[in-house]
Amino acid sequence: DTAVSQTPKYLVTQMGNDKSIKCEQNLGHDTMYWYKQDSKKFLKIMFSYNNKELIINETVPNRFSPKSPDKAHLNLHINSLELGDSAVYFCATAGEGTLTDTQYFGPGTRLTVL
Amino acid sequence: GDSVTQMEGPVTLSEEAFLTINCTYTATGYPSLFWYVQYPGEGLQLLLKATKADDKGSNKGFEATYRKETTSFHLEKGSVQVSDSAVYFCALRRAGNMLTFGGGTRLMVKP
Repeated sequence: DTAVSQTPKYLVTQMGNDKSIKCEQNLGHDTMYWYKQDSKKFLKIMFSYNNKELIINETVPNRFSPKSPDKAHLNLHINSLELGDSAVYFCATAGEGTLTDTQYFGPGTRLTVL
Repeated sequence: GDSVTQMEGPVTLSEEAFLTINCTYTATGYPSLFWYVQYPGEGLQLLLKATKADDKGSNKGFEATYRKETTSFHLEKGSVQVSDSAVYFCALRRAGNMLTFGGGTRLMVKP
């Protein structure tokens, strides 16, 4: 079983469209994250959720809206897509206590905005 | 704020060569330090970590020692293999269990 899964793996869309990326984890972790990796492989945190509540929003435009329907899912909805949104988006999770040191990453979703 | 600086790649080595990827950090206090690896087309995987000064993390023949005096966490391996070709990320853990990553270093190992 895949610990952290994302769908879709690839997403190609036009500017101005609205799209969603889904993330699911079966690790029982309380904390989930979204990261953005640009074309130069630079990784930046976007959001952090703990127990379905938003903990951190790292100055991400409000066109990006994460939603956590339950502890196992953290979806990312993006409105009015722009060219600069093209990137690979990674979901990650972390457990509690000493386990919080390690984050587990999904395989990524490559978003291309045309 | 906290930051991580890695040597720019790509680093190209022949099989069985010695590897060093430099990583330095700027942070308040003594954060946990990590190396993550990203194989082509995959997500990041934890390679090793160190949680306090002078700790040495090790895994799969890779090692890194937490040096607070030089604020460094350099990654080393004595003999690289083609299968080690990947992008390597140094990271530190800051408040809220957030990771701050370096820019990544691509390693290419040739047979």
